[in-house]
Amino acid sequence: GQNIDQPTEMTATEGAIVQINCTYQTSGFNGLFWYQQHAGEAPTFLSYNVLDGLEEKGRFSSFLSRSKGYSYLLLKELQMKDSASYLCAVTDSNYQLIWGAGTKLIIKP
Amino acid sequence: DAGITQSPRYKITETGRQVTLMCHQTWSHSYMFWYRQDLGHGLRLIYYSAAADITDKGEVPDGYVVSRSKTENFPLTLESATRSQTSVYFCASSVRGLEGETQYFGPGTRLLVL
Repeated sequence: GQNIDQPTEMTATEGAIVQINCTYQTSGFNGLFWYQQHAGEAPTFLSYNVLDGLEEKGRFSSFLSRSKGYSYLLLKELQMKDSASYLCAVTDSNYQLIWGAGTKLIIKP
Repeated sequence: DAGITQSPRYKITETGRQVTLMCHQTWSHSYMFWYRQDLGHGLRLIYYSAAADITDKGEVPDGYVVSRSKTENFPLTLESATRSQTSVYFCASSVRGLEGETQYFGPGTRLLVL
């Protein structure tokens, strides 16, 4: 079966750094996405990785290791508005997106 | 620029009733998707469409019907609603449905089946 694992919930402090991990087991791999979803809202795109390594975009970075089936999303200089769920999704060999259940990130002052 | 819209935003219905959720996009994206999102689960694909008059099943299609007579509209119908279909439904679209392509999501429809 296909499976994506993320921690259910994480807590961090405003101004700090947090790393959200995602491990996956899918039939094939054609890229990994991270989406942000604020409570009661729709998911919005954050990042995409298809090759190994780190992709940096402002305060957010995403890392991929295809051999380990592993990715992480790194959020720096945390702000209260970063309180949200972060969804990991993998494109499988059929180009279907398989979604993790999401990690709820709570930011404390 | 309206983007992608869904209606209604909230719906309460009773078991056994037919319900249609509407999705409309103004970008002329080829691909459209319907997902449901439940607590503790990731987004689960119900149906998707690669173009007008082309639809295909996703992971959880049972109890749902879709159609796509026009590129911009992709309605989802629950033929006979059940309590297990209580969920948040998201419509999404993308240009070509290829790897690396971002999906753009509508605001969601919150459906309660009593």
